Amino acid sequence: DVQLVESGGGSVQPGGSLRLSCAASGFTLSGYWMHWVRQVPGKGLVWVSRISPDGSTTNYADSVKGRFTISRDNAKNTLYLQMNSLRAEDTAVFYCGRRSVHGGNWYFDLWGRGTLVTVSS
Amino acid sequence: SSELTQDPAVSVALGQTVRITCQGDSLRTYSASWHQQKPGQAPVVVIYVENNRPSGIPDRFSGSSSGNTASLTITGAQAEDEADYYCESRDSSGTRLIFGGGTKLTVL
Repeated sequence: DVQLVESGGGSVQPGGSLRLSCAASGFTLSGYWMHWVRQVPGKGLVWVSRISPDGSTTNYADSVKGRFTISRDNAKNTLYLQMNSLRAEDTAVFYCGRRSVHGGNWYFDLWGRGTLVTVSS
Repeated sequence: SSELTQDPAVSVALGQTVRITCQGDSLRTYSASWHQQKPGQAPVVVIYVENNRPSGIPDRFSGSSSGNTASLTITGAQAEDEADYYCESRDSSGTRLIFGGGTKLTVL
């Protein structure tokens, strides 16, 4: 089956770090732009970061720039999100998503099930 | 601007037609997609690049766009369509994605 499976979430104290993983199966990750999106429980979806297929281009939301780092290991078919200096407001479910192109326009065609990150003392 | 605006809540009678809208300046340049999310579940794309349906999505879902507004229409809403719906596009720079605040659809 074609799927994305996130892992690495959990509870951490403010100022701490976590690394999220997103394992791809049923397809080759190296062919796709990949994104992280988060959602505070009960709230809306918020874009976090993206990375190009070869890892050479990355972009971040202002709220995480300088604290989060997106990366990928195409040999392991896995996407990562290193999160440092975590704050209470980073508490959210984190989803990874695959982007595909249609007629020159990009869209999410596959989402993972998400992993919950809780930042609390 | 780099925001997408949606009505927080919309309701529709079973079997009737409902339209959910999304407004933003970037929609004049970039296409919109629509994601359905049911409680406790991951999002699922129901319309991509304005008016395309992924396989497995019922044909009662359709999309359109005009000017700074994108729309998701459900023709003959079913009970299982009750969910949150999010529009998604790019911001004015084109390098970041933005989501609307979401519309909670209630099927009466």
